Amino acid sequence: DAGVIQSPRHEVTEMGQEVTLRCKPISGHDYLFWYRQTMMRGLELLIYFNNNVPIDDSGMPEDRFSAKMPNASFSTLKIQPSEPRDSAVYFCASSQYSGAYNEQFFGPGTRLTVL
Amino acid sequence: DAKTTQPNSMESNEEEPVHLPCNHSTISGTDYIHWYRQLPSQGPEYVIHGLTSNVNNRMASLAIAEDRKSSTLILHRATLRDAAVYYCILRAAGTALIFGKGTTLSVSS
Repeated sequence: DAGVIQSPRHEVTEMGQEVTLRCKPISGHDYLFWYRQTMMRGLELLIYFNNNVPIDDSGMPEDRFSAKMPNASFSTLKIQPSEPRDSAVYFCASSQYSGAYNEQFFGPGTRLTVL
Repeated sequence: DAKTTQPNSMESNEEEPVHLPCNHSTISGTDYIHWYRQLPSQGPEYVIHGLTSNVNNRMASLAIAEDRKSSTLILHRATLRDAAVYYCILRAAGTALIFGKGTTLSVSS
């Protein structure tokens, strides 16, 4: 299995531009998670989906952020318009079940720099 | 409001055992104790998890206190590749992993 796939791995954009991050979860996994990591705030959960339906988006910082999961094998995290404070590493993760014992598998992350 | 408390940093020498402590005094009966680690420039990866009994796998051992208010991740022989941030996380069913600050482990040769 290829694991969780994220693209792009690096993104540099200018303030005000739209940014779209992509994630392909592990096949057969019903849960997909988006996290953001910064030096100041550490790893933060942004949103997670179960069977393509958003379950908890309380971590989404503001209306500029939106996430979708149109099918079981693809999810996007969009920032519009982007701001310098959005610069961070964004991780996608997936897991097979919701049990408290289940492992989450993380992708390699997308490093976003907003100038 | 972190549910676990870990030391900010620890140091070890290569080939020596490492004991990484975690306090979780408010743990509920159905919370599992998970450990993840994050190597430099990588995403977090699963290390081990347990509920009540001690657990062993190829990466590490997890020792859980009888009252479950603390646990210890044990790396039996640290290598340079074990240098990472180690996160102790309580997880209930139907929830996502919530990360705290973790413990930064440094390993010297």
